[in-house]
Amino acid sequence: EVQLVESGGGLVKPGGSLRLSCAASGFTFSTHSMNWVRQAPGKGLEWVSSINSGSYFIYYADSLKGRFTISRDNARNSLFLQMNSLRVEDTAVYYCARDSPVAPNAFDIWGQGTMVTVSS
Amino acid sequence: SYELTQPPSASVSPGQTATITCSGDALANQYAYWYQQKAGQAPVLIIFKNRERPSGIPERFSGSNSGTTVTLTISGVQAEDEADYYCQSADSSNTVVFGGGTKLTVL
Repeated sequence: EVQLVESGGGLVKPGGSLRLSCAASGFTFSTHSMNWVRQAPGKGLEWVSSINSGSYFIYYADSLKGRFTISRDNARNSLFLQMNSLRVEDTAVYYCARDSPVAPNAFDIWGQGTMVTVSS
Repeated sequence: SYELTQPPSASVSPGQTATITCSGDALANQYAYWYQQKAGQAPVLIIFKNRERPSGIPERFSGSNSGTTVTLTISGVQAEDEADYYCQSADSSNTVVFGGGTKLTVL
């Protein structure tokens, strides 16, 4: 079964850091671009970052201003998101999502999400 | 960056046809994608490349495009189609953008 499972979310104080992980299974992880998308409570979807299969091309939403870093380990079938200098407005469910093999930038597989709460 | 604009809400009676639009300048040159998100669940891709349907997605879901507007059409709406729908695209620099979402209510 094709699956993505996020972990690492939790409660963190403003200014703190958190590292999210996404474990992939059921497909050849190393051949797919991967993405992080977040959704604040009661709000819409917001793209966070993308990374291609070989980690050569990495993109971020302008709003993150260098606070987040995406990375991957193809040997461990894992995607990561390092989040630093966290703000209250970063509170959201964070999803990892796979790029479709037939349509780049279409996200065909999503994880169940991990909740990040930034609060004092 | 650019924006994609969707109506915040739409409503339709069972068996009728629902249409949800998404507009943005980049759509004239870039593909659009549509996602369905039911309450408490992760989004599901239902349309890619403006009008293609992934396997397993019912035929009642269809997409079209004209100029800077793309449209999601749901024919013969069922109660289970009540959900939030998001359009998405990417610009030439691979910056991904989502529309604000449309909450579809089945009356």
